[in-house]
Amino acid sequence: SQQGEEDPQALSIQEGENATMNCSYKTSINNLQWYRQNSGRGLVHLILIRSNEREKHSGRLRVTLDTSKKSSSLLITASRAADTASYFCATPLLETSGSRLTFGEGTQLTVNP
Amino acid sequence: DTEVTQTPKHLVMGMTNKKSLKCEQHMGHRAMYWYKQKAKKPPELMFVYSYEKLSINESVPSRFSPECPNSSLLNLHLHALQPEDSALYLCASSLAQFSNYGYTFGSGTRLTVV
Repeated sequence: SQQGEEDPQALSIQEGENATMNCSYKTSINNLQWYRQNSGRGLVHLILIRSNEREKHSGRLRVTLDTSKKSSSLLITASRAADTASYFCATPLLETSGSRLTFGEGTQLTVNP
Repeated sequence: DTEVTQTPKHLVMGMTNKKSLKCEQHMGHRAMYWYKQKAKKPPELMFVYSYEKLSINESVPSRFSPECPNSSLLNLHLHALQPEDSALYLCASSLAQFSNYGYTFGSGTRLTVV
């Protein structure tokens, strides 16, 4: 079963605009991760935010985490056509057999030139 | 080397064929994973290897058989697959099977079962 839910499912914006994607999860976490996937390709790890962090930046990316609401957001500023991709949040579920990373449903971002 | 390499990139196989998917990394990662991804869906975990031992099997049918010959290699042996097994198969690795590490993914094998 999937741990996270993302919204919106699809987002279409113009180049230069900001894109915000949201993720909600169900159980307690140690961290939350964001990945990007270009069509039919592998996933690329973008950023990891730990449960004791509230905000993290990496280049044009800003991630926030609200553990009280079990939610996270990914902001891409000054978007480019090359940012067109699917974006997934992912959370590690801890079990006796170890940790498993489970993904949200994803947001399909289209940046129009 | 900061990559996970998967071969082949594309594979078409009949339902009676036997084939293998291969995954290789040289980053010293001790956890390796197989995920299956259908179109417009998130990746779903199939298997986890930690220190070359199978630690998680997500109730995957026996027609999928994983193998970890050494710390750098991960194989997925396929036999008697069904058309619904057609998907993108992703291999990933991480420093260890604990929660505070990001995963490095390969570019996947696009499998079509005919």
